[in-house]
Amino acid sequence: ILNVEQSPQSLHVQEGDSTNFTCSFPSSNFYALHWYRWETAKSPEALFVMTLNGDEKKKGRISATLNTKEGYSYLYIKGSQPEDSATYLCAAGLGGTSYGKLTFGQGTILTVHP
Amino acid sequence: DGGITQSPKYLFRKEGQNVTLSCEQNLNHDAMYWYRQDPGQGLRLIYYSQIVNDFQKGDIAEGYSVSREKKESFPLTVTSAQKNPTAFYLCASSTDRASTDTQYFGPGTRLTVL
Repeated sequence: ILNVEQSPQSLHVQEGDSTNFTCSFPSSNFYALHWYRWETAKSPEALFVMTLNGDEKKKGRISATLNTKEGYSYLYIKGSQPEDSATYLCAAGLGGTSYGKLTFGQGTILTVHP
Repeated sequence: DGGITQSPKYLFRKEGQNVTLSCEQNLNHDAMYWYRQDPGQGLRLIYYSQIVNDFQKGDIAEGYSVSREKKESFPLTVTSAQKNPTAFYLCASSTDRASTDTQYFGPGTRLTVL
């Protein structure tokens, strides 16, 4: 089983702060890295899918980068707002016999205080 | 509206009973997935299906069974053989079973064994 690790496990920030968290994954046989946002009482929602080393994606105040050679991805939130409070999940997709399956990290719980 | 529905939202079961969780999608997706979430852990894959009448075991399939008789439906049965069934269960679907495909999630079912 592929190990995907996220850090920190939880994070509390003040409204307006910028923040970032990390997803690490084994770099061999890599196909894709997914980020999801999961708000309380809602379904996980896709943010980004990245496949190429050096990929950068942006959606409003949220952006992500990917380093496939060293096996990590960063998610950045600029000027955090209370509505950004959620659990952020990353998931890695591999090739070979694991193709088509995503392995999820345990998530980073973000709380933004007004 | 297109999406994934899961029912019921909350389910209570007595020990020794089998129970079936419903998952329906109207996104015309070929692939469907079942995940389990436990506190402090990432989503773990139970079963997945690429096409009708075909499904494969995920990482934690013991004590579970599935069927895929229709493209839209992928019910999960939690059998009495599952030693620790109390958990939150999420169903997802994607266009195809590719590591680069975004998965779309339902709202989940929380199962409690009494």
